[in-house]
Amino acid sequence: AQTVTQSQPEMSVQEAETVTLSCTYDTSENNYYLFWYKQPPSRQMILVIRQEAYKQQNATENRFSVNFQKAAKSFSLKISDSQLGDTAMYFCAFIPTGGGADGLTFGKGTHLIIQP
Amino acid sequence: KAGVTQTPRYLIKTRGQQVTLSCSPISGHRSVSWYQQTPGQGLQFLFEYFSETQRNKGNFPGRFSGRQFSNSRSEMNVSTLELGDSALYLCASSLDGGIITGELFFGEGSRLTVL
Repeated sequence: AQTVTQSQPEMSVQEAETVTLSCTYDTSENNYYLFWYKQPPSRQMILVIRQEAYKQQNATENRFSVNFQKAAKSFSLKISDSQLGDTAMYFCAFIPTGGGADGLTFGKGTHLIIQP
Repeated sequence: KAGVTQTPRYLIKTRGQQVTLSCSPISGHRSVSWYQQTPGQGLQFLFEYFSETQRNKGNFPGRFSGRQFSNSRSEMNVSTLELGDSALYLCASSLDGGIITGELFFGEGSRLTVL
């Protein structure tokens, strides 16, 4: 079984700052996908960024980028030029390539607060 | 394009009752998966349906069941409710790839309170 650990229950930064959210995972799989999902206060979860384990290049989506360290089983999310609208719960998630009986495995989440 | 719609948004039940939650996926999406979200356990996978067939099931008791209709709409049912079933139930839909690529589109959830 896979596990995903987010060690920062809550983080708070000033608007326009850069913030990094941590995620580590444990798996015996070699091929898998990793994701960061954002859940704003309205509760609708949206996909922020996705990384395929076989790709060495770190994924980026505008102000969002990841630092994927496969050997260390680490998958951190960096948010540059943070905005008030980035305030949300952020979940790291994992799934083996080809799916898995356990669906997506989520971490417990990091509550990110962007202060004006 | 309409998003994932879940009904009802809020409901209150008492122990021993049963509840049915509904999820309408994005048009064209054939896969629907369900997750339970609680403060203590976080997000846990319940099951996934694809083309009316249950493809995967999480580690939940048999009181939790679901189904999918030919129009891809899905329902989940919880029988003999317990206090611990109080949670936000999230539905997510995706294209034919199902949950494999992780491109899930979530609804706003159904908040169930069991008294």
